Formats: sequence, C-alpha cells, structure tokens
Amino acid sequence: EVQLLESGGGLVQPGGSLRLSCAASGFTFSNYALSWVRQTPGKGLEWVSAISGSGGSTHYADSVKGRFTISRDNSKNTLYLQMNSLRVEDTAVYYCAKITGASSGWHDYWGQGTLVTVSS
Amino acid sequence: EIVLTQSPATLSLSPGERATLSCRASQSISIYLAWYQQKPGQAPRLLIYDASNRATGIPARFSGSGSGTDFTLTISSLEPEDFALYYCHHRSNWPFTFGQGTRLEIK
Repeated sequence: EVQLLESGGGLVQPGGSLRLSCAASGFTFSNYALSWVRQTPGKGLEWVSAISGSGGSTHYADSVKGRFTISRDNSKNTLYLQMNSLRVEDTAVYYCAKITGASSGWHDYWGQGTLVTVSS
Repeated sequence: EIVLTQSPATLSLSPGERATLSCRASQSISIYLAWYQQKPGQAPRLLIYDASNRATGIPARFSGSGSGTDFTLTISSLEPEDFALYYCHHRSNWPFTFGQGTRLEIK
C-alpha cells in the first residue's frame, strides 16, 4: 500500500524558513517523480514543485522559484521541501504527491498534508 | 504558464441528475489533462487522466472528454458521495497548473 506522510509544518514568521519532509513507503521510491502541491485554506490547489526519480531534474512554480528548493534522499525514501524567505501568502496545507512516471505524469497518490502558517 | 479556467464555479444538482463540468486551457494541451475530486478534510483523488481514462477504482459513471483546449468531466447519474470539489490539472509542460475548481453541491 502506497503511503506518503508529510511532516515539518508549523508557524513561522515572515522571512523565516521551514523544511518539510515526506516519508514514502509501498513503492520503489527512486522509480517515481514526486511533487509538492499546496492548498490555501478554503481555496484551490497550487502545484509548487516537482523532482524526478533520480533527483536530477527539478521544476518550480514561478511563485516559489528562488525561495523554495525541492530535494530527495532515495536511500531514506524521503522527499523534502526547503522553504526560505517565507511570505504570508505561502500559508497553506502542503501535500506531497507521487507521480505516475520517473520524470512526469499524474499525481496518483497523495499524503494528508501538513499545515504551514506564515504570520507575525 | 498555462491557465486552466473551470466553469461553472458552483453547480447545484440533485442526486440522479447528470453533471457536466468544463475546463478550458489558455493554449492547447493535447490530452494532457486530469480531473481530481476533493472532499472536505481529504486529499485530492485522481479520477480521470489523459483527458478520458478513468483511474483505478473510479466508477463508470465518471467520464472525461476533450482535447486541445476544451475538456469536460461528466457524471452520468449523481450519487450522494459525488458532491464535492472538482479540479482539472494539466501536465502538458512545466509549470503544471490546476484550475480554480468547481463545487458540486446538492440542490
């Protein structure tokens, strides 16, 4: 059974940093790309970033480019999102999602999300 | 970036009725479109991928169609558990984007 468990969310001040983690199980981790997708409370979904199965290719939404860094440790079956220079508008539930292919595809499994609140 | 525009924003129907949700892309995305369902407090669930293929375990009452810039999700006969939020999503190129969602509510 595929499982994705996010952690690392919390309250942080504007300009601060936070690192999210996503522990995965139930599939061959290095064979699949992964994404971070966020959802502002009461609003819609926003794709944030994706990384290929090998970790050699990364992609970002314009809204986070230069501030967020996605990475993965295939030996630990864990995905990360380092978030720097956080803004109030980054407040959201952050989901990690498995992608159906090694470099691209659809989001077929999702974690339950971790809440990030950016506020002074 | 490709913008996906969903309509209507809210759709009010009764169980047993047919639901038709639309998604329009700002430029051609071939068939690289998916539909997701989200219920309160839950993560999104993949319903349809590549415009018209049902994901594993999705009932046959859900169907998708379209290509290029215009896409449709149809629910042939609404069940009580179908009332939820629905999002379209493209993977034609980077960055991926989602539509703003359609809320399907009980009339």
